[in-house]
Amino acid sequence: QAQLVQAGAEVKKPGASVKVSCKASGYTFTSYYMHWVRQVPGQGLEWMGIIDPNGGRATYAQNFQGRVTMTRDTSTSTVYMELTSLRSEDTAVYYCARNDYGGNWFPDSWGQGTLVTVSS
Amino acid sequence: DIVLTQTPLYLSVTPGQPASISCKSSQSLLYSDGKTNLYWYLQKPGQSPQLLIYEVSSRFYGVPDRFTGSGSGTDFTLKISRVEADDVGVYYCMQSRHLLTFGPGTKVDIK
Repeated sequence: QAQLVQAGAEVKKPGASVKVSCKASGYTFTSYYMHWVRQVPGQGLEWMGIIDPNGGRATYAQNFQGRVTMTRDTSTSTVYMELTSLRSEDTAVYYCARNDYGGNWFPDSWGQGTLVTVSS
Repeated sequence: DIVLTQTPLYLSVTPGQPASISCKSSQSLLYSDGKTNLYWYLQKPGQSPQLLIYEVSSRFYGVPDRFTGSGSGTDFTLKISRVEADDVGVYYCMQSRHLLTFGPGTKVDIK
């Protein structure tokens, strides 16, 4: 049974960066891609990108290009999402979500989410 | 970018009655491998999203057969045959034909 456990809430000032972690267990970490999806309070889901934990290659959504970096640590089965130049509009819950094993991209298991609050 | 639109955006349903949500794509979601990359998720209040339907019509593990996905090309539908109290939440369609995008969501509650 896949389990994704995310770090606790963060409060950041505008212009700062945040790095959110997601620790995976219950499956072979390097065999499943991982997505990051965010949700502004009261709004819908927005896909940020995907990382292949096997090689570390990531693909990012256009909206976040240049501001987001996804990395992984295979020794601890953890993926990270770093977002820079934070602004108030980045206040959101950030989810990691494991991709299905097959070739198509779709999350089949989600973390509990990490609330990032950007406020001066 | 592929844009998904959902209708209605809000649905209030009497328990035991059916419900239907439409999802329309700005481009065909049929991929060269013959699969159609359209998915449905439910986000229950205070919870993370959960996968209901993958590739248009296949139910994910443990999803009751009250949930049925259908459609092709650019037009898709999620039907709940008999709504239960546990079905409340926001339903999102999602495409992965080109990267990933989600529809705006349809909020379902119980009358």
